[in-house]
Amino acid sequence: DAGITQSPRHKVTETGTPVTLRCHQTENHRYMYWYRQDPGHGLRLIHYSYGVKDTDKGEVSDGYSVSRSKTEDFLLTLESATSSQTSVYFCAISGISGTEAFFGQGTRLTVV
Amino acid sequence: QQQVKQSPQSLIVQKGGISIINCAYENTAFDYFPWYQQFPGKGPALLIAIRPDVSEKKEGRFTISFNKSAKQFSLHIMDSQPGDSATYFCAASRRFAGNNRKLIWGLGTSLAVNP
Repeated sequence: DAGITQSPRHKVTETGTPVTLRCHQTENHRYMYWYRQDPGHGLRLIHYSYGVKDTDKGEVSDGYSVSRSKTEDFLLTLESATSSQTSVYFCAISGISGTEAFFGQGTRLTVV
Repeated sequence: QQQVKQSPQSLIVQKGGISIINCAYENTAFDYFPWYQQFPGKGPALLIAIRPDVSEKKEGRFTISFNKSAKQFSLHIMDSQPGDSATYFCAASRRFAGNNRKLIWGLGTSLAVNP
């Protein structure tokens, strides 16, 4: 695997609590992405970053925020978790060409 | 609005057969078309990719066929093996503001190869 580490790998949390997922890369890649994957919906982009402190919304950004204070770290925060945010979350990175994306192992989040 | 439409949703093939997955797109600004393979419990991984200036690209048993005029591209897996059982995603990439890029994904095809 490309040098991408997602943490935690699994998390169960209660509705209404804040949750932060971390993506750490050792590849010094410019682009970083957060996706969620749900049956029947494929991969949906939540937020992405094209550099330190440069982030933008994806197609399903409501209820999520991100931060990128260092090249290697991209944090995804669920401000107040809801059951609809139960999903598998993937972080991905890509280099300057922005073409090939490398994915992390995923974080399975369950909101009860 | 699905910018990249993938079919079929699921596919069952016998060992040794040919698996074919199709994708169609609308935006002619797309200039890079990758296919990703995902095994259960893993993240997707790049399998093969093509640019629109070629009509076919082959890597081992995997071939992408690209039809620019029809705005369609397909993945062919020759001599399909049980180890090919996975979910396959097509995607399309284009540049947008600030010379950044974005990947647009199909919904995926679950392939099962029976032994």
